[in-house]
Amino acid sequence: QVQLQESGPGLVKPSGTLSLTCDVSGGSISNSNWWSWVRQTPGKGLEWIGEIYHSGITNYSPSLKSRVTIAVDKSRNQFSLSLTSVTAADTAVYYCARMWESGSFDSWGQGARVTVSS
Amino acid sequence: EIVLTQSPGTLSLSPGERATLSCRASQSITSNYLTWYQQKPGQAPRLLIYGASNRATGIPDRFSGSGSGTDFTLTISRLEPEDFAVYYCQQYGSSPCSFGQGTKLEIK
Repeated sequence: QVQLQESGPGLVKPSGTLSLTCDVSGGSISNSNWWSWVRQTPGKGLEWIGEIYHSGITNYSPSLKSRVTIAVDKSRNQFSLSLTSVTAADTAVYYCARMWESGSFDSWGQGARVTVSS
Repeated sequence: EIVLTQSPGTLSLSPGERATLSCRASQSITSNYLTWYQQKPGQAPRLLIYGASNRATGIPDRFSGSGSGTDFTLTISRLEPEDFAVYYCQQYGSSPCSFGQGTKLEIK
């Protein structure tokens, strides 16, 4: 059973860069899966940010594409999220997740709460 | 982008009753790539149903999914106390992936 764990700063200053890492255990990130970042806010609910394949191929949400980078580190069995020029609207719980059958997410991290504030 | 609209926003029922939750898509969902999740406070979403009608591992058979095209339904045949939570639908038949706004299932 694969497990995911997010880590990173819980507080980021406005106009700064949000950086999170997702550690994958119980399985290899190089298996045939896509790995995603999803965030959740009280106002907008669940929002898909983007995904990466172990080869490095990425897909991003059009609404965030200009500010997002997702990268993979196969040697550490982890993938990461970088979101630049953050504002208060980026305050959310950020989840990493594994894509499984039929476009579903079967494994999720416990979530990392990130607040954007000075 | 496909917009998913869930209804009702809140559903008030009693244990033992049947729950019917709806998810309507703004466009037809390719290959019925429609998923249902359950989320409880402070927890990550939990996969219930994938491919519109397939129960995930360990999900009780009181949960069932149906539908195709633009109209999908999650049915809980007899509510147990642990079923009261928020339910989300999600699609990835077309990029970008998108989620519904959720239905809160509360105890009446």
